[in-house]
Amino acid sequence: DTGVSQDPRHKITKRGQNVTFRCDPISEHNRLYWYRQTLGQGPEFLTYFQNEAQLEKSRLLSDRFSAERPKGSFSTLEIQRTEQGDSAMYLCASSLSGRDQPQHFGDGTRLSIL
Amino acid sequence: AQSVTQLDSQVPVFEEAPVELRCNYSSSVSVYLFWYVQYPNQGLQLLLKYLSGSTLVKGINGFEAEFNKSQTSFHLRKPSVHISDTAEYFCAVSYGGATNKLIFGTGTLLAVQP
Repeated sequence: DTGVSQDPRHKITKRGQNVTFRCDPISEHNRLYWYRQTLGQGPEFLTYFQNEAQLEKSRLLSDRFSAERPKGSFSTLEIQRTEQGDSAMYLCASSLSGRDQPQHFGDGTRLSIL
Repeated sequence: AQSVTQLDSQVPVFEEAPVELRCNYSSSVSVYLFWYVQYPNQGLQLLLKYLSGSTLVKGINGFEAEFNKSQTSFHLRKPSVHISDTAEYFCAVSYGGATNKLIFGTGTLLAVQP
């Protein structure tokens, strides 16, 4: 069990640029989640994948955000035309199917917008 | 609306003293409850979970929590804390549904002093 891996750990970019984050879930986990955590707050749900299908998106996920999970393995989260308000920690989690299965989190990608 | 409340943003405590971190959630027919710990610049680590059965659940690092349905609470306790327990603690609730997404509280910083 190698855990959930996220890359990069930190990203600093200028406002208006596009950024892409990657998440590698635990290999046998078919569920994958993205959350966003701003300073002093708990994580907030962004989107959910069951295998390669994106089944739910939060209204927090504006049109500038897109997530994919091709082939049901790793996932990417892209933010286009970044804004100051996008500065946050982006966390990925994965789990097995079943409501009793806990979500396992990666160490996150911290995004800073200059 | 589904919500989780952690009233204490920070709890200072001396080493070897007992501690309780409070968590209340909005009522629902069926909930699964979790406590996660987050160390600086890291992701979330699962401490313990309540799915069903005994209302007292034990987790890692000597922590335990008690589910109280009538008070819609899930308080976290430890009889004797260590300096290494200093971290942010998040209570999270799954209200079910197809995605099993988690709703988090705003977190409690446990600050253990020597």
